[in-house]
Order: sequence, then C-alpha cells, then structure tokens
Amino acid sequence: EVQLLESGGGLVQPGGSLRLSCAGSGFTIANFAMIWVRQAPGKGLEWVSLISPSGDGTKYTYYADSVKGRFTVSRDNSRNTLYLQMNSLRVEDTAVYYCAKADSSSFYPHWGQGSLVTVSS
Amino acid sequence: EIVLTQSPATLSLSPGERATLSCRASQSVDSYLAWYQQKPGQAPRLLIYDASTRATGVPTRFSGSGSGTDFALTISSLEPEDFAVYYCQQRRNWPLTFGGGAKVEIK
Repeated sequence: EVQLLESGGGLVQPGGSLRLSCAGSGFTIANFAMIWVRQAPGKGLEWVSLISPSGDGTKYTYYADSVKGRFTVSRDNSRNTLYLQMNSLRVEDTAVYYCAKADSSSFYPHWGQGSLVTVSS
Repeated sequence: EIVLTQSPATLSLSPGERATLSCRASQSVDSYLAWYQQKPGQAPRLLIYDASTRATGVPTRFSGSGSGTDFALTISSLEPEDFAVYYCQQRRNWPLTFGGGAKVEIK
C-alpha cells in the first residue's frame, strides 16, 4: 500500500527557514514524479513544486513563480524521502503543505496527510 | 499560465439530486484534466483523470466529460458523503494549475 507521511511543519518567523519531509512507503520515490501542493487557510490548492523521476540518472525540478529561488525540492533515495527546503519564508507562505505521488496517468492519486507551516512574528 | 475557472462556486442540493460542476480553461488543455474531491481536514482525493477516466475505487455515480477548454464533473445522485469541495487540475502546460474550487453543500 502506498503511503506518504509528512513532517517538519511548524511556526517560523518571516525570513526564516524550514524543511518539510515526505517519507514514502510501498513504492520507490525515485521512480515517480512527486509534487508539493499547498493550501492557505480557507483557500484553494496551489501547486508549488515538482521533481521528476530519476530513471535515467537525471532529474528535473519545477517551481511555481511564487516560490522560485526560495524553495528547493530534493529527494534522498536511500531514505525513500522527498524534501522541500523553504528559505526566506513570508507570511503568505502560511499553508498546509501536501506531498503527492504521480501514477502512470501523470496525475496524483496518492497524497500525504499535510503539514502546517505558519509564518508569523 | 492556464487559468481554470470553476462554476458555480457553491451548489446547494439535496441527497439524491444530480450535481454538475463546470471547469473552463483559458486555453486548450486537450484532455489533460483531473477532478479532485476534498473534505474538511483531509487531503484531496483523485476522482477523475484524463477528463473522463475514473480513478481506482471511485463510484460510478461520478463521471467526467469534456475536452479542450470546457469540462464537467457530474454526480448522478448525491450521497451524503459527496458533500465536499471539488477542484479541477490541468497538466497540459507548466505551471500545473488548479481551479478555485466548487463547494457542493447540503440544501
């Protein structure tokens, strides 16, 4: 059974940093595209980042304009874990952050439970 | 960026009634569109992908239609567990984008 378990959320001051983790089980993270999606309180879903599978040794990363240059997505294959390093955090980054795994359709049937990030002084 | 506009924003219906939600794209997404359901405090759940294919385990009362710029999600007969927020999402172009959401509430 595919499972995604997120951790690392919390309260951080504006300008601070935080790293989210998404531990996968029941599949190999390196073989699938993975995304981060966030949802601000009471708002809709916003795609944040994607990392491609690394089948041929290369990987590609993509970012929403709102986080480009501040957030970095990465993967530790030995730990089967996805990360989102978030730097220079802003109040508007406050949201529940979800990781999700693609399937063969290139859509996302598997999601983590979400991790709340609050940016506030 | 492809903008997805969902309508109506809120649909008030009774159990057993038919619900039809619309998603309009600012440019063609071919059939690269999905629908998700989200309940309070839960992660989104994939219902439909490639515009009309039901995801694994999704009841047959859910159906998707459309291509290009106009799409619909239909729930043929609402069950109590179907009252939730629904989002469309496209993967035709970067960035991936979601619609603003449509809430189906109990009348």
